[in-house]
Amino acid sequence: RKEVEQDPGPFNVPEGATVAFNCTYSNSASQSFFWYRQDCRKEPKLLMSVYSSGNEDGRFTAQLNRASQYISLLIRDSKLSDSATYLCVVSSSASKIIFGSGTRLSIRP
Amino acid sequence: NAGVTQTPKFQVLKTGQSMTLQCAQDMNHNSMYWYRQDPGMGLRLIYYSASEGTTDKGEVPNGYNVSRLNKREFSLRLESAAPSQTSVYFCASSIQGALNEQYFGPGTRLTVT
Repeated sequence: RKEVEQDPGPFNVPEGATVAFNCTYSNSASQSFFWYRQDCRKEPKLLMSVYSSGNEDGRFTAQLNRASQYISLLIRDSKLSDSATYLCVVSSSASKIIFGSGTRLSIRP
Repeated sequence: NAGVTQTPKFQVLKTGQSMTLQCAQDMNHNSMYWYRQDPGMGLRLIYYSASEGTTDKGEVPNGYNVSRLNKREFSLRLESAAPSQTSVYFCASSIQGALNEQYFGPGTRLTVT
């Protein structure tokens, strides 16, 4: 079993739709959680950190469920510019970090 | 601020050749990382440097060496390139350790023939 698992997609949704991704992790000692966005042939860029209480940044909402060991990302009112690969990242210590393989999202007009 | 910069952007090597990938950050971060990204796989950590003067192996260190030249610079060396090292290499930095968010350079696309 991979330490961090994501549905690879692709998710193909119309502009304006709401879409959600989950990411599961196996290490119960994990402490920090992030969502990164990666455009084709570009570097990953931090989208948002994920806090225990959940957090929101504009159209994006991230949640953490420690009991079931998953994090989620919800995108509301999706835009064409949201098309990208979304990487789930889990860290259990200052030196241990695991990236998921990513979920591809395509927004169609 | 330039953030994290990497050189070169592209490189083609023949099997057995050596090269060094350069990385620099201007954010006064303590920790720096080297990853490789292969199709269908997540980024995998090659080496990291928690702070100036220290380096440690990550998940896939074989065939690579690193040097933390100073606080700003962290280089990755391939001593004898192999086709299995064909990949996209990303350098990243964080203020301190992997529990904090990381900032990535634009990547180096390396092909070994």
